[in-house]
Amino acid sequence: NAGVMQNPRHLVRRRGQEARLRCSPMKGHSHVYWYRQLPEEGLKFMVYLQKENIIDESGMPKERFSAEFPKEGPSILRIQQVVRGDSAAYFCASSRYRDLETQYFGPGTRLLVL
Amino acid sequence: DQQVKQNSPSLSVQEGRISILNCDYTNSMFDYFLWYKKYPAEGPTFLISISSIKDKNEDGRFTVFLNKSAKHLSLHIVPSQPGDSAVYFCAASDYGGATNKLIFGTGTLLAVQP
Repeated sequence: NAGVMQNPRHLVRRRGQEARLRCSPMKGHSHVYWYRQLPEEGLKFMVYLQKENIIDESGMPKERFSAEFPKEGPSILRIQQVVRGDSAAYFCASSRYRDLETQYFGPGTRLLVL
Repeated sequence: DQQVKQNSPSLSVQEGRISILNCDYTNSMFDYFLWYKKYPAEGPTFLISISSIKDKNEDGRFTVFLNKSAKHLSLHIVPSQPGDSAVYFCAASDYGGATNKLIFGTGTLLAVQP
Protein backbone atom coordinates (compact mmCIF):
# COMPACT_ATOMS: atom_id res chain seq x y z
CA ASN A 1 0.00 0.00 0.00
CA ALA A 2 2.04 2.89 -1.27
CA GLY A 3 1.43 6.20 0.40
CA VAL A 4 1.34 9.60 -1.23
CA MET A 5 4.37 10.03 -3.47
CA GLN A 6 6.01 13.34 -4.21
CA ASN A 7 8.94 14.15 -6.42
CA PRO A 8 11.41 15.55 -6.49
CA ARG A 9 12.12 15.61 -2.76
CA HIS A 10 14.47 18.53 -3.18
CA LEU A 11 14.52 21.09 -5.96
CA VAL A 12 16.92 23.98 -6.46
CA ARG A 13 16.05 26.72 -8.90
CA ARG A 14 17.50 30.10 -9.76
CA ARG A 15 15.30 33.16 -9.76
CA GLY A 16 13.21 33.34 -12.90
CA GLN A 17 13.22 29.61 -13.61
CA GLU A 18 10.22 27.30 -13.47
CA ALA A 19 9.55 24.71 -10.79
CA ARG A 20 7.37 21.64 -11.35
CA LEU A 21 6.33 19.59 -8.35
CA ARG A 22 4.61 16.23 -8.79
CA CYS A 23 2.24 14.34 -6.54
CA SER A 24 0.81 10.85 -6.93
CA PRO A 25 -2.07 10.24 -4.50
CA MET A 26 -2.66 7.04 -2.61
CA LYS A 27 -4.34 4.27 -4.55
CA GLY A 28 -8.08 4.80 -4.67
CA HIS A 29 -7.83 8.47 -3.72
CA SER A 30 -9.24 10.99 -6.15
CA HIS A 31 -8.96 14.15 -4.05
CA VAL A 32 -5.66 16.02 -3.94
CA TYR A 33 -4.64 19.01 -1.85
CA TRP A 34 -1.50 21.12 -1.96
CA TYR A 35 -0.15 22.93 1.09
CA ARG A 36 2.89 25.12 1.57
CA GLN A 37 4.97 25.48 4.70
CA LEU A 38 7.15 28.54 4.92
CA PRO A 39 10.05 28.49 7.42
CA GLU A 40 8.87 28.66 11.04
CA GLU A 41 5.20 28.54 10.03
CA GLY A 42 2.37 26.04 9.86
CA LEU A 43 1.03 24.53 6.68
CA LYS A 44 -1.12 26.77 4.52
CA PHE A 45 -3.73 25.46 2.07
CA MET A 46 -3.11 26.30 -1.56
CA VAL A 47 -5.41 24.32 -3.84
CA TYR A 48 -7.84 21.39 -3.90
CA LEU A 49 -8.32 19.29 -7.03
CA GLN A 50 -10.23 16.29 -8.19
CA LYS A 51 -9.48 14.50 -11.42
CA GLU A 52 -9.40 17.12 -14.20
CA ASN A 53 -11.02 19.75 -12.00
CA ILE A 54 -9.81 22.53 -9.74
CA ILE A 55 -12.35 22.75 -6.93
CA ASP A 56 -10.83 25.40 -4.68
CA GLU A 57 -7.78 27.51 -5.45
CA SER A 58 -8.43 30.16 -2.83
CA GLY A 59 -4.98 29.69 -1.30
CA MET A 60 -3.01 30.01 -4.51
CA PRO A 61 -1.10 33.21 -5.22
CA LYS A 62 -2.79 35.03 -8.07
CA GLU A 63 0.19 34.99 -10.37
CA ARG A 64 2.85 32.48 -11.38
CA PHE A 65 1.24 29.49 -9.61
CA SER A 66 -0.93 26.87 -11.29
CA ALA A 67 -2.03 23.33 -10.55
CA GLU A 68 -3.54 20.45 -12.45
CA PHE A 69 -4.66 16.90 -11.84
CA PRO A 70 -5.09 15.23 -15.22
CA LYS A 71 -7.13 12.14 -15.91
CA GLU A 72 -3.94 10.12 -16.18
CA GLY A 73 -0.79 10.80 -14.21
CA PRO A 74 0.17 12.78 -11.15
CA SER A 75 -1.01 16.14 -9.96
CA ILE A 76 1.40 18.94 -10.88
CA LEU A 77 2.03 22.19 -9.02
CA ARG A 78 3.80 24.61 -11.33
CA ILE A 79 5.56 27.79 -10.26
CA GLN A 80 6.72 30.06 -13.04
CA GLN A 81 9.47 32.66 -12.70
CA VAL A 82 10.33 31.62 -9.16
CA VAL A 83 11.44 34.20 -6.59
CA ARG A 84 13.32 33.71 -3.31
CA GLY A 85 10.07 33.99 -1.36
CA ASP A 86 8.85 30.79 -3.02
CA SER A 87 11.45 28.82 -1.06
CA ALA A 88 9.39 26.52 1.15
CA ALA A 89 8.29 22.94 1.68
CA TYR A 90 5.37 21.98 -0.53
CA PHE A 91 3.20 19.13 0.66
CA CYS A 92 0.61 17.19 -1.19
CA ALA A 93 -2.19 15.29 0.56
CA SER A 94 -4.88 12.96 -0.75
CA SER A 95 -8.16 11.57 0.48
CA ARG A 96 -10.63 9.01 -0.79
CA TYR A 97 -13.67 11.21 -0.38
CA ARG A 98 -14.19 14.85 0.42
CA ASP A 99 -16.09 15.13 3.66
CA LEU A 100 -14.97 14.13 7.15
CA GLU A 101 -12.09 12.31 5.57
CA THR A 102 -8.53 12.12 6.75
CA GLN A 103 -6.00 13.63 4.41
CA TYR A 104 -2.77 11.66 4.09
CA PHE A 105 0.36 13.60 3.32
CA GLY A 106 3.35 12.94 1.15
CA PRO A 107 6.95 13.59 2.24
CA GLY A 108 7.02 17.00 0.61
CA THR A 109 9.20 18.79 -1.93
CA ARG A 110 11.67 21.27 -0.54
CA LEU A 111 12.14 24.09 -3.00
CA LEU A 112 15.12 26.36 -2.67
CA VAL A 113 15.35 29.41 -4.90
CA LEU A 114 18.82 30.87 -5.23
CA ASP B 1 -6.14 36.00 10.80
CA GLN B 2 -5.08 32.82 12.57
CA GLN B 3 -8.21 30.69 12.85
CA VAL B 4 -6.41 27.79 14.53
CA LYS B 5 -3.97 28.61 17.29
CA GLN B 6 -1.44 26.58 19.17
CA ASN B 7 -0.17 28.98 21.77
CA SER B 8 2.61 26.81 23.13
CA PRO B 9 5.48 26.63 20.66
CA SER B 10 7.18 23.95 22.72
CA LEU B 11 6.57 21.46 25.52
CA SER B 12 8.99 19.26 27.47
CA VAL B 13 7.78 16.16 29.31
CA GLN B 14 9.44 13.29 31.14
CA GLU B 15 9.15 9.82 29.66
CA GLY B 16 6.17 7.95 31.11
CA ARG B 17 4.28 11.11 32.04
CA ILE B 18 1.31 12.65 30.26
CA SER B 19 1.77 15.14 27.41
CA ILE B 20 -1.07 17.60 26.85
CA LEU B 21 -1.07 19.67 23.69
CA ASN B 22 -3.63 22.40 23.28
CA CYS B 23 -5.34 24.03 20.35
CA ASP B 24 -7.90 26.84 20.09
CA TYR B 25 -10.01 27.82 17.11
CA THR B 26 -12.17 30.79 16.28
CA ASN B 27 -14.46 29.58 13.48
CA SER B 28 -17.60 27.92 14.83
CA MET B 29 -18.21 26.35 11.38
CA PHE B 30 -15.29 23.95 11.87
CA ASP B 31 -16.69 20.47 12.32
CA TYR B 32 -13.79 18.07 11.97
CA PHE B 33 -10.48 18.26 13.75
CA LEU B 34 -7.27 16.34 13.26
CA TRP B 35 -3.88 16.02 14.90
CA TYR B 36 -0.77 15.38 12.88
CA LYS B 37 2.74 14.59 13.99
CA LYS B 38 5.69 15.79 11.97
CA TYR B 39 9.36 14.91 12.03
CA PRO B 40 11.91 17.20 10.35
CA ALA B 41 12.17 16.73 6.58
CA GLU B 42 9.09 14.49 6.50
CA GLY B 43 5.42 15.03 5.75
CA PRO B 44 2.80 15.25 8.50
CA THR B 45 1.60 11.87 9.77
CA PHE B 46 -2.04 11.54 10.76
CA LEU B 47 -2.54 10.66 14.43
CA ILE B 48 -6.15 11.00 15.44
CA SER B 49 -9.30 12.93 14.55
CA ILE B 50 -12.60 13.95 16.06
CA SER B 51 -15.84 15.22 14.58
CA SER B 52 -17.87 17.94 16.22
CA ILE B 53 -20.60 15.54 17.27
CA LYS B 54 -18.21 13.93 19.76
CA ASP B 55 -16.29 15.29 22.70
CA LYS B 56 -13.70 12.55 23.00
CA ASN B 57 -11.91 10.05 20.81
CA GLU B 58 -9.29 7.52 21.86
CA ASP B 59 -6.74 5.52 19.96
CA GLY B 60 -4.21 3.68 22.07
CA ARG B 61 -2.02 6.16 23.91
CA PHE B 62 -3.65 9.12 22.15
CA THR B 63 -6.88 10.81 23.22
CA VAL B 64 -8.36 13.95 21.74
CA PHE B 65 -10.85 16.05 23.68
CA LEU B 66 -13.13 18.63 22.09
CA ASN B 67 -14.85 21.44 23.99
CA LYS B 68 -17.06 23.15 21.43
CA SER B 69 -18.36 25.85 23.74
CA ALA B 70 -14.81 26.93 24.49
CA LYS B 71 -13.65 26.25 20.91
CA HIS B 72 -10.79 24.25 22.35
CA LEU B 73 -9.31 20.86 21.73
CA SER B 74 -6.46 19.00 23.31
CA LEU B 75 -4.36 15.95 22.58
CA HIS B 76 -3.31 13.75 25.47
CA ILE B 77 -0.47 11.29 25.08
CA VAL B 78 -0.03 8.83 27.90
CA PRO B 79 2.43 7.45 28.64
CA SER B 80 4.78 9.68 26.68
CA GLN B 81 7.72 8.00 24.95
CA PRO B 82 10.95 9.48 23.54
CA GLY B 83 9.78 8.49 20.05
CA ASP B 84 6.86 10.89 20.47
CA SER B 85 9.29 13.82 20.24
CA ALA B 86 8.17 15.76 17.16
CA VAL B 87 6.15 18.79 16.10
CA TYR B 88 2.41 18.33 16.58
CA PHE B 89 -0.05 20.23 14.42
CA CYS B 90 -3.72 20.58 15.04
CA ALA B 91 -5.91 21.16 11.99
CA ALA B 92 -9.57 21.96 11.41
CA SER B 93 -11.87 21.62 8.44
CA ASP B 94 -15.25 22.97 7.49
CA TYR B 95 -17.54 20.13 6.45
CA GLY B 96 -20.36 21.42 4.33
CA GLY B 97 -18.20 23.95 2.60
CA ALA B 98 -17.18 23.42 -0.98
CA THR B 99 -13.89 21.90 0.03
CA ASN B 100 -12.31 19.96 2.82
CA LYS B 101 -9.29 22.17 3.14
CA LEU B 102 -7.46 21.98 6.41
CA ILE B 103 -6.55 25.02 8.46
CA PHE B 104 -3.44 24.30 10.49
CA GLY B 105 -2.08 25.72 13.70
CA THR B 106 1.55 26.73 13.90
CA GLY B 107 2.58 23.59 15.75
CA THR B 108 3.95 22.60 19.15
CA LEU B 109 7.36 21.00 19.46
CA LEU B 110 7.14 18.16 21.98
CA ALA B 111 10.32 16.91 23.59
CA VAL B 112 10.02 13.75 25.68
CA GLN B 113 13.00 13.39 27.97
CA PRO B 114 14.21 9.85 28.77
